[in-house]
Amino acid sequence: GAVVSQHPSWVICKSGTSVKIECRSLDFQATTMFWYRQFPKQSLMLMATSNEGSKATYEQGVEKDKFLINHASLTLSTLTVTSAHPEDSSFYICSATGGAGRRDEQYFGPGTRLTVT
Amino acid sequence: ILNVEQSPQSLHVQEGDSTNFTCSFPSSNFYALHWYRWETAKSPEALFVMTLNGDEKKKGRISATLNTKEGYSYLYIKGSQPEDSATYLCAFSRGRAGSYQLTFGKGTKLSVIP
Repeated sequence: GAVVSQHPSWVICKSGTSVKIECRSLDFQATTMFWYRQFPKQSLMLMATSNEGSKATYEQGVEKDKFLINHASLTLSTLTVTSAHPEDSSFYICSATGGAGRRDEQYFGPGTRLTVT
Repeated sequence: ILNVEQSPQSLHVQEGDSTNFTCSFPSSNFYALHWYRWETAKSPEALFVMTLNGDEKKKGRISATLNTKEGYSYLYIKGSQPEDSATYLCAFSRGRAGSYQLTFGKGTKLSVIP
């Protein structure tokens, strides 16, 4: 149980375009979803926290107008990278809580590798 | 700023060897310490969640200990197998009502040589 999927697993886009990444909880209702990114040789860094039906809370230094998060249902959250630039190239990974386990246990998707050319 | 440090950054061990890694974290306002196992191209898999000082948890050949007063946790693998090869992440969360945000270390990459 507690499976989280992410789509796409990798994407290449041109500078200036937008990219949408989907995160789905397949067998539980995710009351909270988290979005992280990881640059090479760095740790996973939290970008934002989203609760179903409400606005996401962004971490300091993360532009909310650039990284649009929608958590419209208990099984789906999307991250849209708008007007992507090469410096946005990174590994983006989501996690979800709300399964049958501990409230604070986060279940991760497999991540999305974004390359902006 | 929360700093979670993991060491070593990477290590290679022979099959059958036992090994351990360290995670250090701020000891103030501690809520929980998480260990994850992350294989390439897969989702990070939760191994342990520990909250109490002195906690020891075990899952098969893998075990972990927690010292919240001095801010460190050890992960032990007994009799390493090639399938144990992965990156082991630890993450720390502070008590904050309604929020369980994790701060991660950079991970320890383990390679088990057959």
